[in-house]
Amino acid sequence: AQKITQTQPGMFVQEKEAVTLDCTYDTSDPSYGLFWYKQPSSGEMIFLIYQGSYDQQNATEGRYSLNFQKARKSANLVISASQLGDSAMYFCAMREGGGYSTLTFGKGTMLLVSP
Amino acid sequence: GAGVSQSPSNKVTEKGKDVELRCDPISGHTALYWYRQSLGQGLEFLIYFQGNSAPDKSGLPSDRFSAERTGGSVSTLTIQRTQQEDSAVYLCASSSSRDRPQSWYFGPGTRLLVL
Repeated sequence: AQKITQTQPGMFVQEKEAVTLDCTYDTSDPSYGLFWYKQPSSGEMIFLIYQGSYDQQNATEGRYSLNFQKARKSANLVISASQLGDSAMYFCAMREGGGYSTLTFGKGTMLLVSP
Repeated sequence: GAGVSQSPSNKVTEKGKDVELRCDPISGHTALYWYRQSLGQGLEFLIYFQGNSAPDKSGLPSDRFSAERTGGSVSTLTIQRTQQEDSAVYLCASSSSRDRPQSWYFGPGTRLLVL
């Protein structure tokens, strides 16, 4: 079974609207972290937001928020007030356990923001 | 300070040749990771170095792939007898325990094309 599932290959949103990118995960480890990265066409991976499994509140970073539903094992990224510069690939990733364990990535969602 | 750098940016090679890809992590980062991103796919873990510990090579797809990290800093990923399916973007990332929450810093990647 895949550890990280992103079911939306592509999403379209109009500028200034909010958009939710879905991510579900699978782990039996009680300690884990969830990450979202943005990859523009230039190719670099840009860290957006992090949610720890023991965090009581949903993470927020500016226009990004993470809708963390632990029982459903979902960690959806919400982007408010979309901008043209948000057009990119978005990857959800999970780190199991603590320390320096590796990240497992989903296949990504391509977001296109239209004027 | 400087981020993670990778060289070369692009590499075109002929099937059967060996290639070396270089990663310079952020100074002081003790963990270094190599990932591969094939066209339209997510990131596939290859190998991970943590300080002076033995590397985690569990993601290397075949014995044609090897990597080393000299002096706990620069890392070189070597692919011997390249095949067309090795064509991908090879990404390097580094991280530090001082980051809280832990976030990774990715390099710009090396785009490898095997003809």
